[in-house]
Amino acid sequence: GIQVEQSPPDLILQEGANSTLRCNFSDSVNNLQWFHQNPWGQLINLFYIPSGTKQNGRLSATTVATERYSLLYISSSQTTDSGVYFCAVEPKETSGSRLTFGEGTQLTVNP
Amino acid sequence: NAGVMQNPRHLVRRRGQEARLRCSPMKGHSHVYWYRQLPEEGLKFMVYLQKENIIDESGMPKERFSAEFPKEGPSILRIQQVVRGDSAAYFCASSLLRGSYTQYFGPGTRLTVL
Repeated sequence: GIQVEQSPPDLILQEGANSTLRCNFSDSVNNLQWFHQNPWGQLINLFYIPSGTKQNGRLSATTVATERYSLLYISSSQTTDSGVYFCAVEPKETSGSRLTFGEGTQLTVNP
Repeated sequence: NAGVMQNPRHLVRRRGQEARLRCSPMKGHSHVYWYRQLPEEGLKFMVYLQKENIIDESGMPKERFSAEFPKEGPSILRIQQVVRGDSAAYFCASSLLRGSYTQYFGPGTRLTVL
């Protein structure tokens, strides 16, 4: 099955810093989503981005489908950005629509 | 427009009991997915359902686990004779259509087996 690798596994920042999270995937995809799991365990949709670039406030994401990677940018980080960031993909070869998740990047933003 | 609803949010069961987890998709969504998150791990796909049909259950354990999405009412994930290893967060997601559409996730049900 498809492999999804996220890096770095852990990231510690001071408030106000910028960061880039990476997601590599091993095969062509129909769907790629970025999620934030907050410290209370809720999964929050950030982006649906199988290709191209999107921006939402301090967050932006870019997926280069031909090179099989996606990047999530967080600018001017805040303590509320802390949590785990997951990348999830739906492989093109599947008949269903299941998402395969990476192991996540644990982000800690210190005041 | 209400999001995906799951209940209960927390469920405690003793070994050997049954657990029933409910999921109401977003209004207008007829595609439901269940995922499991074991402690300190990422989410793993379990099953994909449409109304009255199981489309893909390739991620479901072969025994004790079942899922349904009836014509009326919520989707149900049922775990019979729970064991400690079933302790996890169970997330439900829904999408408008099959294929390249955003899956929206519910808040999850945290199952603890004593």
